[in-house]
Amino acid sequence: DTEVTQTPKHLVMGMTNKKSLKCEQHMGHRAMYWYKQKAKKPPELMFVYSYEKLSINESVPSRFSPECPNSSLLNLHLHALQPEDSALYLCASSLMGGYQPQHFGDGTRLSIL
Amino acid sequence: KNQVEQSPQSLIILEGKNCTLQCNYTVSPFSNLRWYKQDTGRGPVSLTIMTFSENTKSNGRYTATLDADTKQSSLHITASQLSDSASYICVVSGGSQGNLIFGKGTKLSVKP
Repeated sequence: DTEVTQTPKHLVMGMTNKKSLKCEQHMGHRAMYWYKQKAKKPPELMFVYSYEKLSINESVPSRFSPECPNSSLLNLHLHALQPEDSALYLCASSLMGGYQPQHFGDGTRLSIL
Repeated sequence: KNQVEQSPQSLIILEGKNCTLQCNYTVSPFSNLRWYKQDTGRGPVSLTIMTFSENTKSNGRYTATLDADTKQSSLHITASQLSDSASYICVVSGGSQGNLIFGKGTKLSVKP
């Protein structure tokens, strides 16, 4: 079992819905990441939180809104998504930012109708 | 431009055989190189991580090599098992912002 837990595992939503993806780790890691992965492609970095502060935003559309309530939790709030946003959303954590090895969760499979 | 190229794109081998996956990179400055295994529908799992001074590192039946001079890495899988069927992703850390640069992966299928 992965040490980074993501919920839900699957999510189907309409373009007008609001939903949230959740990620949790209890390894004491201080950096957490959101990635988007399309089929047969490598993960693409979306956001990086370091010590609960947003440190990297890779020009992600505002319909994706990250939140880091504490050092163990990372949320991704979704609103007015488009069909092309359908993908596997992966959360990862590392002891600190930069060059540290990242531990990935199993992802949330998101489908936009 | 910082890039990571993997070959082959896909590979089919018979159970019990060995195989080698390749990774070439142009990332500068270089910090470390990682190999991840990603099963279908799962998140990537780290197999090995190597820094500039390390030439080889093993994790069970997986052995990674790194030639920092030629900027090449390989992942050798010994005595393959059906459970080795997955995508193998080479990831290089470095560049001006210490980012992770992902290769597109090699999809390995092990057949009985």
